[in-house]
Amino acid sequence: DSGVTQTPKHLITATGQRVTLRCSPRSGDLSVYWYQQSLDQGLQFLIQYYNGEERAKGNILERFSAQQFPDLHSELNLSSLELGDSALYFCASSLGGPAADTQYFGPGTRLTVL
Amino acid sequence: GQQLNQSPQSMFIQEGEDVSMNCTSSSIFNTWLWYKQDPGEGPVLLIALYKAGELTSNGRLTAQFGTTRKDSFLNISASIPSDVGIYFCAGQFRAQKLVFGQGTRLTINP
Repeated sequence: DSGVTQTPKHLITATGQRVTLRCSPRSGDLSVYWYQQSLDQGLQFLIQYYNGEERAKGNILERFSAQQFPDLHSELNLSSLELGDSALYFCASSLGGPAADTQYFGPGTRLTVL
Repeated sequence: GQQLNQSPQSMFIQEGEDVSMNCTSSSIFNTWLWYKQDPGEGPVLLIALYKAGELTSNGRLTAQFGTTRKDSFLNISASIPSDVGIYFCAGQFRAQKLVFGQGTRLTINP
């Protein structure tokens, strides 16, 4: 158990809908990363938050947004869903130090868009 | 998106055999990490390497951070059935995003 929790475990929805994925980091970690894992693209970085502020952005679509709340949990919002958004979504947390910053992953949310 | 070159893509071995996989990159990294992922689960950290040339062990697993900072390898000795899964390398530059390899799927015949 990494100490990172994600809900829900599975999500099935239809095209055009909007969903919210939730992540709670390990106790003491200030940084949260979101990654998408699909069969054709592998594990890809989406976005990072540190202590409530956006720190880095990766290959995140404009239809997707995220935020980190004062209690440090984070939510990833996916809207106008398309079939190609079906994937595993992972969050990872870390202390957020300036140098080496080991990331620990949650169990993931499997999103299926029908 | 950016990915590391990880090989082999898959391995089929007998229980008790040693395993070796590696990752190369065109960019340098400050940190190399190795994760294992079981079906339907999140990646679990196996070994983290923070210094060029560093050799680190975790039980039967040994990993090295290449001296050029552009490569890393992972060895598993005396494989057992619970070693089955997908192994990912990841490179990190300072405290930034992880860049992942495509994964090595390990299958073990008892």
